[in-house]
Amino acid sequence: EAGVVQSPRYKIIEKKQPVAFWCNPISGHNTLYWYLQNLGQGPELLIRYENEEAVDDSQLPKDRFSAERLKGVDSTLKIQPAELGDSAVYLCASSLGTWTGEDTDTQYFGPGTRLTVL
Amino acid sequence: AQSVAQPEDQVNVAEGNPLTVKCTYSVSGNPYLFWYVQYPNRGLQFLLKYITGDNLVKGSYGFEAEFNKSQTSFHLKKPSALVSDSALYFCAVRGYDYKLSFGAGTTVTVRA
Repeated sequence: EAGVVQSPRYKIIEKKQPVAFWCNPISGHNTLYWYLQNLGQGPELLIRYENEEAVDDSQLPKDRFSAERLKGVDSTLKIQPAELGDSAVYLCASSLGTWTGEDTDTQYFGPGTRLTVL
Repeated sequence: AQSVAQPEDQVNVAEGNPLTVKCTYSVSGNPYLFWYVQYPNRGLQFLLKYITGDNLVKGSYGFEAEFNKSQTSFHLKKPSALVSDSALYFCAVRGYDYKLSFGAGTTVTVRA
């Protein structure tokens, strides 16, 4: 079974430029998450989708960040314009759902996209 | 809001010795606790989780974790560490809002 796929793996841009990250979750997983991981820290949730609905975007900086999951499968996270402080690893994760079960709410992570803003 | 503390930034052990990575948590209601491992330039890999039941949870790669409600701890353990266990380990707690809150991570180095 394929895991969570993310692209690109690495991205270098200049500040004020736009950038987009793509994520394809594990097949059949209804819940999709985007996390931000700064160097030396644990991941922090940006947004959570249940199918195509963003049910928790309280930590997403909406002035410059946007996300979509139009068909309830793959998702795109965009930053426009990028700032120096956005340099980090952006992780995507998916789970079957969010209700507690033997494996239902376990989140499986992709390899991440390492963004460097110059 | 829930939170996790990993009191040790680094843990160093010799191969073959027991490995323990500490984690304490704070959450309202029943705790749902997770351990993940991260290798360089890789995403997080799920090791194990505690939902309910037996306080000793067994997971992948020979790891286990012990849930202690009175001490609000969920320490990760491995009886005999391998050099290949060298990585960054994260403890996480899931709150009522389904959000995973991660600790800052503990770097484990196993020397040959």
